[in-house]
Amino acid sequence: QSALTQPASVSGSPGQSITISCTGTSSDIGRYNYVSWYQQHPGRAPQVIIYTVSNRPSGVSNRFSGSKSGNTASLTISGLQAEDEADYYCSSYTSSNTVDWVFGGGTKLTVL
Amino acid sequence: QVQLRESGPELVKPSQTLSLTCSVSGDSISSRRYYWTWIRQPAGKGLEWIGRIYSSGNTNYNPSLESRVTISVDTTNNQFSLRLTSVTAADTAVYYCARVEDWFDPWGLGTPVTVSA
Repeated sequence: QSALTQPASVSGSPGQSITISCTGTSSDIGRYNYVSWYQQHPGRAPQVIIYTVSNRPSGVSNRFSGSKSGNTASLTISGLQAEDEADYYCSSYTSSNTVDWVFGGGTKLTVL
Repeated sequence: QVQLRESGPELVKPSQTLSLTCSVSGDSISSRRYYWTWIRQPAGKGLEWIGRIYSSGNTNYNPSLESRVTISVDTTNNQFSLRLTSVTAADTAVYYCARVEDWFDPWGLGTPVTVSA
């Protein structure tokens, strides 16, 4: 069982918007702004698409946005494109259990 | 451009030791701005943080693996390494190394490791 909770799957049609939630606790998401999101295509390494809650690395489309409220972080993808179909993982720094970082279980995004 | 590359045996026998190295190019592993980490992903499953190391040698490990894991740094060769002892089939996974600031970036391509006799 992952430390952060994500829905196992979400889907949307091209052009639509979807949101993936990531729920943690007051020891991780609720305490720190060190929340990041990763996109992973099959057979590839994860790549950061959002860091420190809402910042996008250079080269990442502005269709990706992140936010946080309380113990829950969210990733929104607007204007869905076929290339967005991938697995998405959230991560947070944590002060619990001596572990530095925790991940969500991952969300499979299907573009219909 | 910073690049990380994992290397090591892809097949390890049960009860033996898994050893991987991550070679860093385009950045100094001695940089105080970053630290370095190992993450693994069993086939079809999620990501698991294994541990991290600073260039000073300071480490922290996932408690679920702490009794079996050692991460070390070689500043001369700009690389860091992972050792996992007494492996079982449950340790079969793709192993990634990554640079850490307040997020993981970049990642290595990953190296698959299978534990099997």
